[in-house]
Amino acid sequence: SYVLTQPPSVSVAPGQTARITCGGKNIGTKSVHWYQQKPGQAPVMVVYDDSDRPSGIPERLSGSNSGNTATLSISRVEAGDEADYYCQVWDSSTDHQLFGGGTKLTVL
Amino acid sequence: QVKLVESGGDVVQPGRSLRLSCTASGFTFSHYGMHWVRQAPGKGLEWVALISYDDGSQQWYADSVKGRFTISRDNSKNTLFLHMNSLRPEDTAMYYCATLQVGSLAASDRWGQGALVTVSS
Repeated sequence: SYVLTQPPSVSVAPGQTARITCGGKNIGTKSVHWYQQKPGQAPVMVVYDDSDRPSGIPERLSGSNSGNTATLSISRVEAGDEADYYCQVWDSSTDHQLFGGGTKLTVL
Repeated sequence: QVKLVESGGDVVQPGRSLRLSCTASGFTFSHYGMHWVRQAPGKGLEWVALISYDDGSQQWYADSVKGRFTISRDNSKNTLFLHMNSLRPEDTAMYYCATLQVGSLAASDRWGQGALVTVSS
């Protein structure tokens, strides 16, 4: 079955760029979506279809997808970006939706 | 204003049944596919089930719930349901309903606040 692999944690200083990866076999052939979840809250979509942003999501958040890795980049990181981030795809070979295990972003 | 409100969460014994509801407002409910996603305490997101837009004639399920859970919708009441049978302790989680973007089977741009299901004797 298809598996999405994320690092459990990423740490970055304020003002720097955080990069959160999502690995999967030939993930570049799939549409990847990203969600931000803060403690006690529902997830919020921050990137869809690899690199598009929903309205209201700042341009500091961007996505890319190629080969076996999709990446969510957050530039000029702020304290308010501290959250768990999840990648997600639809796997057409199994007709299943999948989430990565999640990455906890810590702002130092 | 788009809103999704889940209800029906409860504490139930293993082997029992429960039905969750998700009432939608602020958009044309029938036009959107819908799904349920759950999150066990301290764990990540897990997809549960998905239903197609309009008549909901297509459903998809995670292997962990297939044969035990049923997703359905009542467009006349703008409501999504999750019927859960033969509940197990590992089904304990916050259950979120969410809309799917048009044309997508995954991208979810609107989420409810969740309903807590606890399966314990």
